[in-house]
Amino acid sequence: ELKVEQNPLFLSMQEGKNYTIYCNYSTTSDRLYWYRQDPGKSLESLFVLLSNGAVKQEGRLMASLDTKARLSTLHITAAVHDLSATYFCAVDRAVHSGGGADGLTFGKGTHLIIQP
Amino acid sequence: DAGVIQSPRHEVTEMGQEVTLRCKPISGHDYLFWYRQTMMRGLELLIYFNNNVPIDDSGMPEDRFSAKMPNASFSTLKIQPSEPRDSAVYFCASSFPTGGEAFFGQGTRLTVV
Repeated sequence: ELKVEQNPLFLSMQEGKNYTIYCNYSTTSDRLYWYRQDPGKSLESLFVLLSNGAVKQEGRLMASLDTKARLSTLHITAAVHDLSATYFCAVDRAVHSGGGADGLTFGKGTHLIIQP
Repeated sequence: DAGVIQSPRHEVTEMGQEVTLRCKPISGHDYLFWYRQTMMRGLELLIYFNNNVPIDDSGMPEDRFSAKMPNASFSTLKIQPSEPRDSAVYFCASSFPTGGEAFFGQGTRLTVV
């Protein structure tokens, strides 16, 4: 059974600071996704990481993937209040033939609060 | 494209009643997923379809839950009979098959009283 663990689960930080959210998963996969969810809203796709060493950046967020360590990180640079949300990492086992999607297993999410 | 469309957005029903949730995926996407989100269990995959065929329903909690996808543009998730512990937000998502991220609908917030 695939397990996805995020830490921390709760993070309160001040604007302007840097921080990293970690995502560990328990089985071989090279498909990892980061999503953002605002309270009462749907999930918004942030990053798609499909190979070892992949790095993606968008604004103050940067995500990376190390498939050998089964670890992904989401780094926040110079945080601003608008980044307050819950961030999920999710892994697709992609075990079926042909490399098709296999559904996502989500971590429990990191509830991020950025204070002015 | 308008994205993944779910209906209704909110549903309040009494225990024992049948509930049907609906989803229209993004046109051209081959995969459709149903997820459930609760505070206690987080986001769980219930079932998914590929080209309208159910591939894995191992996440469906009980026989009270059933899902269908009669065509490429429509899917339903039915709960019969509903119970208070089914209260959750149910998300539908769709994607292309290889590597692409899943795009989520706005969800249906179900409350069973």
